Amino acid sequence: SAVISQKPSRDICQRGTSLTIQCQVDSQVTMMFWYRQQPGQSLTLIATANQGSEATYESGFVIDKFPISRPNLTFSTLTVSNMSPEDSSIYLCSVERGGGGTEAFFGQGTRLTVV
Amino acid sequence: TQLLEQSPQFLSIQEGENLTVYCNSSSVFSSLQWYRQEPGEGPVLLVTVVTGGEVKKLKRLTFQFGDARKDSSLHITAAQTGDTGLYLCAGAKNNDMRFGAGTRLTVKP
Repeated sequence: SAVISQKPSRDICQRGTSLTIQCQVDSQVTMMFWYRQQPGQSLTLIATANQGSEATYESGFVIDKFPISRPNLTFSTLTVSNMSPEDSSIYLCSVERGGGGTEAFFGQGTRLTVV
Repeated sequence: TQLLEQSPQFLSIQEGENLTVYCNSSSVFSSLQWYRQEPGEGPVLLVTVVTGGEVKKLKRLTFQFGDARKDSSLHITAAQTGDTGLYLCAGAKNNDMRFGAGTRLTVKP
């Protein structure tokens, strides 16, 4: 398993501002994943963050809106830029481990409300 | 279009009842996972199934992977209020993991 610490756990932000979410893992991992979970819905992958290279973004997500840093093998940040109420969501970081199948472990999430 | 279809989307039952939730796809997966997510928390892994036809039991929870590795079911016996949560299935394929839309279970006392 993996222990993932994510902060902040929640925030209320003004539209037009930016919020940076931090994710710390208790061991070194090659890839870290950032997901968005809109109210009452499942998880949508935003991007995959690799150490030492630019993040890979999924369709519908762009670097200007969701810049990601991955300075080392245990840490990553996701910034939600120029926020609007539509960005209100839960943001989750995740790592995957082999373990007989690909298994995902998640931080506790950041509940973002944009007003 | 969701790669993994979960049903039902919502389920509300009384404590003590049994239930089954389903996860279906047209794709073959190398493995499939079930997660439970409680409010204010990230999803927590319950089980991984890898072999077609595999059945795993975790106390009152029984997980089954379809023979063709395209679908799975989760059966809960004698549900308890603590089982309330969002149940997500996720399929792994070519180092890519995708999540179903989830089944939101409410167990009433």
